[in-house]
Amino acid sequence: GNSVTQMEGPVTLSEEAFLTINCTYTATGYPSLFWYVQYPGEGLQLLLKATKADDKGSNKGFEATYRKETTSFHLEKGSVQVSDSAVYFCALSDPGNQFYFGTGTSLTVIP
Amino acid sequence: KAGVTQTPRYLIKTRGQQVTLSCSPISGHRSVSWYQQTPGQGLQFLFEYFSETQRNKGNFPGRFSGRQFSNSRSEMNVSTLELGDSALYLCASSVGQGEPLHFGNGTRLTVT
Repeated sequence: GNSVTQMEGPVTLSEEAFLTINCTYTATGYPSLFWYVQYPGEGLQLLLKATKADDKGSNKGFEATYRKETTSFHLEKGSVQVSDSAVYFCALSDPGNQFYFGTGTSLTVIP
Repeated sequence: KAGVTQTPRYLIKTRGQQVTLSCSPISGHRSVSWYQQTPGQGLQFLFEYFSETQRNKGNFPGRFSGRQFSNSRSEMNVSTLELGDSALYLCASSVGQGEPLHFGNGTRLTVT
């Protein structure tokens, strides 16, 4: 079946550090891939997406590349800020429009 | 454009009662999905509606039900509440297949 595995948290970084959150997936066919972010007390917000192999999604300095050969969609940011502190979810959607979410990775950025 | 609106934001109920949660999707979005979020289980898919029809269903007991109206607004009902139903219930809408989900801020349900 379809599933998403993302790195366990929590992750704590100093401001301006480099961020990587690993995400791998298992899926039949060609899923679309997403990263969502959740701030305290809020719902999930779409951060970026990629719909086919080798696509790179980017937004607000975050990037992720759809790697079919390694079934991965790792999230990266070159220089994190305190305001990036949140929980990050990797997700895929299958052709039947069913979404599968990872367990979430909590990020705390300290000044 | 208004986002996904969920009401109420907070609910406190007693075991055995029932509850109805409401979701208004983004205008033009015909797909509405519901998720349960808890610290231990993460995000769990409840069901998805499209044009008033349930299209997908997660692995939840029959106490959890939903419906969608002709204006795409959706409601979720939980009957005979249990302590374990305490969670954040998230509604999300989308334009269609392969498109991102857009989430509301959720309804925080506490069962005592």
